[in-house]
This record gives sequence, C-alpha cells and structure tokens, in this order.
Amino acid sequence: DAKTTQPNSMESNEEEPVHLPCNHSTISGTDYIHWYRQLPSQGPEYVIHGLTSNVNNRMASLAIAEDRKSSTLILHRATLRDAAVYYCILKGGSGGGADGLTFGKGTHLIIQP
Amino acid sequence: ETGVTQTPRHLVMGMTNKKSLKCEQHLGHNAMYWYKQSAKKPLELMFVYNFKEQTENNSVPSRFSPECPNSSHLFLHLHTLQPEDSALYLCASSPKGRATNEKLFFGSGTQLSVL
Repeated sequence: DAKTTQPNSMESNEEEPVHLPCNHSTISGTDYIHWYRQLPSQGPEYVIHGLTSNVNNRMASLAIAEDRKSSTLILHRATLRDAAVYYCILKGGSGGGADGLTFGKGTHLIIQP
Repeated sequence: ETGVTQTPRHLVMGMTNKKSLKCEQHLGHNAMYWYKQSAKKPLELMFVYNFKEQTENNSVPSRFSPECPNSSHLFLHLHTLQPEDSALYLCASSPKGRATNEKLFFGSGTQLSVL
C-alpha cells in the first residue's frame, strides 16, 4: 500500500472546524483513502473513507483533491471528545485473503476548551 | 461498543509464564486480526485470519502463537515473552477480508506488561 504523510500534531479550539491534511502523492487509481481515529486508551475507530468524490457522514467530511494526491478530513465543529490520534491510510486491493490496514504515526489532534 | 471484545484488559506476566489473550466478535465477520501497539510506535499488524485460515504472519516471533477456532474467536497464546513485548495488543475484525473499502472494527485492547 502507498505511503501517507500527516503532520505530527495539530491544535484547535472547541466548537471550531478542524481540517486535518494528508498527502499521498504515490496513490494508485484503485487505492481507497481511509481515516481512523484512536482515542486515549481505546482501539482505533473508523471515521470515513472515499475513492474520488468528497464524502460526508455523521462524524466528518472527507475532501479529496482532484488529482487524489492529497485529502483533508474535516471535523465541522470540534468537541473535547474529538481529541485523538487521526490516521490517514491508503488501502489497495490485489485479490485473495485479508491483509488488514497499515497504520502510520497519524496526527495527534489537541482540542483546547 | 464496537462488537469486538478483548479479555483481559490488563495483564502482567513474568518472562517464564504462559498466558493467552482472547478476542470475540459478535458482528458476523469472517476476517480477524492481531495488532501490536508499542509506546510511541505505530500499530503493527501481526497476524491475519480469513475464514479461520491464517493468511498473514508479519515475521512475528514464535513466542506469539495465534489460534482461530472459528470466525468469531481469536486467541493469542504467549510464552517466554521478553520485556520489550510489553505493549497494547489490539484485535480487529472485518466482514470478509481484502475489500479495499472494508471497515475494520477494533476492540479496546489488552495492555500487556512483561516483567
């Protein structure tokens, strides 16, 4: 799977929007862009994923650049409970059995009250 | 509650002990995974099972021995561990494996300390 680059940490204020960037310049045409987050003392949880078009769900929005070499996870109104490590992961398929997801270091999001 | 339950939540063991970690999923998924998360390091994929068959072993030392008796249960048997094996061990499941848009569901992990 291709590599992603994220800032080590970001800080935002409560009730403001947060834009978390991810660069993936070596993305292939079949790679999906997945975002997970890991709250303290918990396992990672799924946030959102997309291929080419922007995606929205109840947790967040995913904006994907037209050339797909970067994407941005958008939390529309951050709360203290959104403080977590956010992982941007590319997932490509090549047929046959399961092979999981490869996690990087992610972005540590700090929310200030 | 993700539908993936891991026990115990915390485990302290000596280097000569034998212990087992348990993972159970109630989601009807067919693929299950073990990940290791050491302090200050990214999650590392250890083992993958798909339809009870091991499909991936990422060069994990033999002191870690996985077992998947059915699609709902996954075990990690531990013996003669080293202090550097102290970490958070996470179990995950997914519906059927390698689909590129498939979500993984994680348990809360077992925090292991090897003395």
